[in-house]
Amino acid sequence: GESVGLHLPTLSVQEGDNSIINCAYSNSASDYFIWYKQESGKGPQFIIDIRSNMDKRQGQRVTVLLNKTVKHLSLQIAATQPGDSAVYFCAEIRNQGGKLIFGQGTELSVKP
Amino acid sequence: KAGVTQTPRYLIKTRGQQVTLSCSPISGHRSVSWYQQTPGQGLQFLFEYFSETQRNKGNFPGRFSGRQFSNSRSEMNVSTLELGDSALYLCASSWTGETDTQYFGPGTRLTVL
Repeated sequence: GESVGLHLPTLSVQEGDNSIINCAYSNSASDYFIWYKQESGKGPQFIIDIRSNMDKRQGQRVTVLLNKTVKHLSLQIAATQPGDSAVYFCAEIRNQGGKLIFGQGTELSVKP
Repeated sequence: KAGVTQTPRYLIKTRGQQVTLSCSPISGHRSVSWYQQTPGQGLQFLFEYFSETQRNKGNFPGRFSGRQFSNSRSEMNVSTLELGDSALYLCASSWTGETDTQYFGPGTRLTVL
């Protein structure tokens, strides 16, 4: 079946450390991937995206890596800060008319 | 540029009632998608509208419906509410709804008693 799943439901890191959040997807036809951050009581906030013809994309303190061979996506956050504490979702879209398929989410907790 | 707005932010209804939620997309965005978020099921796609037409639909019963107006604003309606409809309802807008970024609103928290 089609699914985008996350390996770990929770991740705890020390402030200043780097964080890596992983995501596996099952459909090799996926065109586009997005990472979202959701804080309590808010809607998902766009972090970074990557298209299927790319392997890596960098933003401000964030990097997304896409490994199509093993259908794996990861989000790396450099120098993690307390404000990064949230639930992170990966999502994929397959050119199907606005339908994002979400993973279950990973809760990132940053210890001061 | 203003973000996606949703009204109301909170709603309390009783079983059997119906509810209408509203979403105003980012200016210029023509695609609006709706999602239901619950602790047990996560984020699930309800439907997507583009240029006033429903272009895609998720696996939800017919009690869930929506529409889009000529200014791209969208509404979703849930009739004959059930306890299990309690959730955060999120809308997202994008330029085309294809492989482009969807931006989310803050959501409407619906509680069914």
